[in-house]
Amino acid sequence: SQKIEQNSEALNIQEGKTATLTCNYTNYSPAYLQWYRQDPGRGPVFLLLIRENEKEKRKERLKVTFDTTLKQSLFHITASQPADSATYLCALDMDSSYKLIFGSGTRLLVRP
Amino acid sequence: DAGITQSPRHKVTETGTPVTLRCHQTENHRYMYWYRQDPGHGLRLIHYSYGVKDTDKGEVSDGYSVSRSKTEDFLLTLESATSSQTSVYFCAISESSAGGGNQPQHFGDGTRLSIL
Repeated sequence: SQKIEQNSEALNIQEGKTATLTCNYTNYSPAYLQWYRQDPGRGPVFLLLIRENEKEKRKERLKVTFDTTLKQSLFHITASQPADSATYLCALDMDSSYKLIFGSGTRLLVRP
Repeated sequence: DAGITQSPRHKVTETGTPVTLRCHQTENHRYMYWYRQDPGHGLRLIHYSYGVKDTDKGEVSDGYSVSRSKTEDFLLTLESATSSQTSVYFCAISESSAGGGNQPQHFGDGTRLSIL
């Protein structure tokens, strides 16, 4: 079955540094990969989508890479701020359908 | 923000009672989803709908049923609640597309359900 792995340990970094989060997957070849942000007590919020034929996607301070050979996506936040502290989820499409399978998320803590 | 309202936001009930959660959208999106989120498991799909009266099972559908009689409303029912169904439940919507996962999902703020 499809499996998505995100680091369960929180990532703790200093303000101004670049945060890098990892999403690994197995037993699947998704056509799309998405990243979401989730704050405590709130639903996930969509951030970025990257297609299998795109190596990199950027939006303001966010950058996502998608390596289909390594079966890995990296999510970068440059010049991180305390307001970036949240849990970040990656999600893959299931068999090119409208369903997504989500990772369990990585919590990011940005210290002032 | 996408217009998605979940109700109730919090509910405490007893084992064996029926429970219905409601998701209401004002975006006229075709696809609607119910997930549960538990520590260590992330978001898991319970049921989804691809149109009025068109629903199908997700990854963890046992013990749950759904109905969609109108585009804007998607109901999740626990016929006889069990303690293992204590969780946070999220509704999501997405637009129709030919490409499947190339559309983002927009989530409500969840219902925290405790079954004692």
